[in-house]
Amino acid sequence: GESVGLHLPTLSVQEGDNSIINCAYSNSASDYFIWYKQESGKGPQFIIDIRSNMDKRQGQRVTVLLNKTVKHLSLQIAATQPGDSAVYFCADYSQGAQKLVFGQGTRLTINP
Amino acid sequence: KAGVTQTPRYLIKTRGQQVTLSCSPISGHRSVSWYQQTPGQGLQFLFEYFSETQRNKGNFPGRFSGRQFSNSRSEMNVSTLELGDSALYLCASRLGTSQETQYFGPGTRLLVL
Repeated sequence: GESVGLHLPTLSVQEGDNSIINCAYSNSASDYFIWYKQESGKGPQFIIDIRSNMDKRQGQRVTVLLNKTVKHLSLQIAATQPGDSAVYFCADYSQGAQKLVFGQGTRLTINP
Repeated sequence: KAGVTQTPRYLIKTRGQQVTLSCSPISGHRSVSWYQQTPGQGLQFLFEYFSETQRNKGNFPGRFSGRQFSNSRSEMNVSTLELGDSALYLCASRLGTSQETQYFGPGTRLLVL
């Protein structure tokens, strides 16, 4: 069956460093991918998305990379700040299934 | 533009009771999806409604049901509550079924005792 998973459940980085959060997916029919950030007590917040016909997309301090050959997705956060501390989820979407499938999430902790 | 709103934010029920949760989507959004989030299972899709019709359904028992009103507001109902139903229930809206990006509300935290 389809599944979206994360390589690491937790990630701890120093403030100011870059963070890289990884995600593997198995559904080759997925054509759209989203990264969400969830802070404690809040719902997931949209960060950035990428379509399957793209390899890279940049936002403000964030970059998403997609490697369709190995079915791998990553989220890069530049110059991480204390406010970046949260759980990050990747999700994939296929037009066939018409629903988002979420990974388990990675907890990002920023050390001062 | 206001975001997705959910009521109530917190709820405590006992086993066997039923509960109704409410979601108001972003203005103009016609699709509403519901998810259950637990520490063990993560985010799991419950169902999606568009134009008052259920378009998609996850792998949950029939105790979980929902509906959507003409103003796109949605309700979710869980009957005969079980301890395992304790979770954060999240609602997400999107413009329509051809738009993939969903925007989430803050969730309703349900505790079943």
